Amino acid sequence: EVQLVESGGGLVQPGGSLRLSCAASGFTFSSYRMSWVRQSPGKGLEWVANIKQDGSEKYYVDSVKGRFTLSRDNAKNSLYLQMNSLRAEDTAVYYCARGDQKGTTDYWGQGTLVTVSS
Amino acid sequence: DVVMTQSPLSLPVTLGQPASISCRSSQSLVYSDGNTYLSWFQQRPGQSPRRLIYKVSNRDSGVPDRFSGSGSGTDFTLKLSRVEAEDVAVYYCMQGTHWPWTFGQGTKVEIK
Repeated sequence: EVQLVESGGGLVQPGGSLRLSCAASGFTFSSYRMSWVRQSPGKGLEWVANIKQDGSEKYYVDSVKGRFTLSRDNAKNSLYLQMNSLRAEDTAVYYCARGDQKGTTDYWGQGTLVTVSS
Repeated sequence: DVVMTQSPLSLPVTLGQPASISCRSSQSLVYSDGNTYLSWFQQRPGQSPRRLIYKVSNRDSGVPDRFSGSGSGTDFTLKLSRVEAEDVAVYYCMQGTHWPWTFGQGTKVEIK
């Protein structure tokens, strides 16, 4: 069974940092692109970043470029999102999602809440 | 960025009746390989999104056949042939042809 379990969310002050993790199981992690998608409270979905299977290609939405860094450790079946210089508008539930094929995602985790507030 | 526009944003439906959600993109979603990377997701209250449809019309495993996707270029539709109580959710279209991937605003389906 495919499982994606996010962790690392919490309350952080504006300008602070957090590192989100996503532990994957039930599939060959190294064979799949992975994404982070976020959802602000009561709002819609926003794709944040995507990483190729071997980590050689990364894509980010403009609003996080230069502040967020996506990485993965295929030996540990884990995906990470280092978030720096956090802003109030980064407050959201962050979902880890698996890309089973080009241009889409199939399985999503349960999400981890990031709250940026003083 | 490609803007995805859904309509309506709220859709009250009667149980057993059909429903349709439109999704329009600001530019063509046809990729250079000839495929169109348009997906539909369902998000029930308190749950993570679940993919229903990929590449416009391909239904995911376990998705009831009352859900169907169609369209081409910039104009796409998700249809429910007969709405059931479990279909109460917000539905999102998403394009994966152009970076950054973008979602529609979501359409909330509720029972009248």
